[in-house]
Amino acid sequence: EAQVTQNPRYLITVTGKKLTVTCSQNMNHEYMSWYRQDPGLGLRQIYYSMNVEVTDKGDVPEGYKVSRKEKRNFPLILESPSPNQTSLYFCASSSRGPSSYGYTFGSGTRLTVV
Amino acid sequence: AQSVTQLGSHVSVSEGALVLLRCNYSSSVPPYLFWYVQYPNQGLQLLLKYTTGATLVKGINGFEAEFKKSETSFHLTKPSAHMSDAAEYFCAVSNSNTGNQFYFGTGTSLTVIP
Repeated sequence: EAQVTQNPRYLITVTGKKLTVTCSQNMNHEYMSWYRQDPGLGLRQIYYSMNVEVTDKGDVPEGYKVSRKEKRNFPLILESPSPNQTSLYFCASSSRGPSSYGYTFGSGTRLTVV
Repeated sequence: AQSVTQLGSHVSVSEGALVLLRCNYSSSVPPYLFWYVQYPNQGLQLLLKYTTGATLVKGINGFEAEFKKSETSFHLTKPSAHMSDAAEYFCAVSNSNTGNQFYFGTGTSLTVIP
């Protein structure tokens, strides 16, 4: 089944403790992206990657890192999480670019930072 | 710059009634327009998209949307609401010139009353 898999689905952590949210897609998509979803703000792009070793900032990159060492994986790293990073996170992928093809989304990771 | 405005963060309809979710966009070039649906505790799924061609677009689950350039709108409709339509709906805009930029609206939560 074609899908984007995120792990974990739920995570509670403490301020400052580094964490990684994994994202993997099995569709051989070139384009991958991370979004955060907050009430009243919709989805905002954190980082995106157009291909292996190519990443760029989205609209809200502060406090996050990403890497794209393999085509299928695009982990999101929070080096020192803070409470304002409590949010619902989505990974998404697209075959050549979301403008024409749209996104396939993962099921989300609900992160709480206390 | 592009943006999307979804009028009404919450919409309630009776089962069997018309569903109308409003989306207006701002784009300096011909837009690509999308509607996504998010069911509780799930990721976003593509409902339908408009890139070029016919302005009336049919999607999954009986939904359709019409691109109206003169009104800069892309409203989502369904003739008869079903209980299973209760979800959050997001409109999004992009274009062929800026494939990396994909902007979501803030979402409309649809409640279906039995």
